[in-house]
This record gives sequence, C-alpha cells and structure tokens, in this order.
Amino acid sequence: DAMVIQNPRYQVTQFGKPVTLSCSQTLNHNVMYWYQQKSSQAPKLLFHYYDKDFNNEADTPDNFQSRRPNTSFCFLDIRSPGLGDAAMYLCATLVPGSYEQYFGPGTRLTVT
Amino acid sequence: GENVEQHPSTLSVQEGDSAVIKCTYSDSASNYFPWYKQELGKGPQLIIDIRSNVGEKKDQRIAVTLNKTAKHFSLHITETQPEDSAVYFCAASPQGAQKLVFGQGTRLTINP
Repeated sequence: DAMVIQNPRYQVTQFGKPVTLSCSQTLNHNVMYWYQQKSSQAPKLLFHYYDKDFNNEADTPDNFQSRRPNTSFCFLDIRSPGLGDAAMYLCATLVPGSYEQYFGPGTRLTVT
Repeated sequence: GENVEQHPSTLSVQEGDSAVIKCTYSDSASNYFPWYKQELGKGPQLIIDIRSNVGEKKDQRIAVTLNKTAKHFSLHITETQPEDSAVYFCAASPQGAQKLVFGQGTRLTINP
C-alpha cells in the first residue's frame, strides 16, 4: 500500500494560473518535505515542515508557498507558474528516529 | 553549506559486471550518506545508506564504502542485472540538519 500519496500524478496548468499539488501520508511522520526535480537533475529542496513549523530554503522563490493543515496532508501552491516551473515535484517524509527520507511517486507539472 | 559531487554522470556496463559510482562531500560534519535509485517517472527509492561511524555496509549485491578522511563514499553493485538500470543519486546529510543534499545523479545502463 502506498504510504506517501501525491495527487495528481500529472498536472497541466497555464502560464500564470495558480496551481496546487497535494501530498498525503499514512505514516504519521512529523517531518514532510517538498522537492523540485527538473529533467536530468537532482531533487532540490524547496521547504520542509517539522510538525507545523515551516522551514523555507533561502533560495526558494516567493512564488512557491506551502500549507500543512494536519499531520497527514501537505500542499504546494504555485501562485503564478512560469515555464521554468515545469518539473517533477516530490513529497517526502522523514522516518522517525532516523535520517531516512521516504519519497512519494511525484507529480509532474507541465506549464503551457 | 554542504556540496556533493557525483561521478560519473552516465555509466554503461555489461550484465553481470560490477558498477561503481563515487561521490565526494565538502562538510566534514555530515554524518549520514544514503543512496537512492530512481526509475523513470517514479520517486527516488532508498537502496542503502551508511552512517559516519561505519566504513562499509553491504546488502546482497549492493555495498557502500565511506572514507571520512577523504570525504568520499562509493556505491558498488555486483552481478548487475537489467533491472538495475536507473538513475542513482548519492546524498549527504549535515549533522542535525534533517536535510539531504543530493549529488547530480548517475544514469546507469545495464546492457544484456
């Protein structure tokens, strides 16, 4: 059974039209992460939550926002997507008591 | 901050041969080094990891070695099989940071 679920798996949005990607987890893990992965590149951390404590990476554009209403769900909001925001967006959780990060399957975002 | 360099970027080996991928890191305080396998259209999957207090770890056909003095670690895959074809990422976690810094990735192709 999938433990980190990302919906939708594929998302198409128009240039400048706000879009929200969602992640849910059945693991009850405290820490959740959002990564951006462009084609043929490594995942790049955008931000992470420790419970409701939000931690933004210094180079994450203001265009990217996040919400975590409860332990199970985390959302990535892109306020005004540009063509350069087309990428795979990965959600991950941190296994408690370890350093291991468990990744979801990702959402591939296309911007037209 | 931490910087991870990974080589080679592409690697092609004959089925049954061994494959070796190498990474170097810059922050001597980093203490956790995972390796992820990413298949096309999927999220990264942890295949093996090593802590800084261990020099080598093995799991069936996969092994990881760590040289803290030289600040490099390597992934070794023996008796390669076609299903080993994927992109492999190394990563390092600065101590206490709950974050991963990824290498650039290696596309491994196993030729039948």
